[in-house]
Amino acid sequence: GAVVSQHPSRVICKSGTSVKIECRSLDFQATTMFWYRQFPKQSLMLMATSNEGSKATYEQGVEKDKFLINHASLTLSTLTVTSAHPEDSSFYICSAKGQGRTLHFGNGTRLTVT
Amino acid sequence: DQQVKQNSPSLSVQEGRISILNCDYTNSMFDYFLWYKKYPAEGPTFLISISSIKDKNEDGRFTVFLNKSAKHLSLHIVPSQPGDSAVYFCAASVAGTASKLTFGTGTRLQVTL
Repeated sequence: GAVVSQHPSRVICKSGTSVKIECRSLDFQATTMFWYRQFPKQSLMLMATSNEGSKATYEQGVEKDKFLINHASLTLSTLTVTSAHPEDSSFYICSAKGQGRTLHFGNGTRLTVT
Repeated sequence: DQQVKQNSPSLSVQEGRISILNCDYTNSMFDYFLWYKKYPAEGPTFLISISSIKDKNEDGRFTVFLNKSAKHLSLHIVPSQPGDSAVYFCAASVAGTASKLTFGTGTRLQVTL
């Protein structure tokens, strides 16, 4: 089945620094990937749609200058949290479209900003 | 505006019995629905899906029912097993949106011995 790899699985950084999270589709090409965020005991909230070779589309309320998305190839999308603050601490999950209309998810990245 | 709702935050079922997880939606444009299972600190794992042209889809122990007129879907797991204990999310998408999913709030299923 479709496999999506996300790295790192957890990261701790200091306030004001930037963190990059990678999302790779391992056995299929993904022209579109999605980035979600999950707060404790809450639902997955879509942050942005990552489009290969073009600009990402951000959901309302998501700062595009803070959450930089790059989708430079058909198998790799990156999310960079710039100038991270403690309120950015969360669980970030990427997904890619596999066969049909099913999205397959990476294992997520737990970001803790101290 | 929560377009996909799971009104039961938790459910406890005995091993071997049926688990029924419910989901309601408000957006009539949704035409494809999915159920995902999620463990803490992991990404969601796809379980089963259903298109709006169907009212039932079955895969092993998992069956999803869709009632379009009521904007309601449910996931039945039978028989329930301890390994099914997890958080279950329903999700929906609109045709032509490249599978962009809107998730429900999740239901934590606990299967007891």
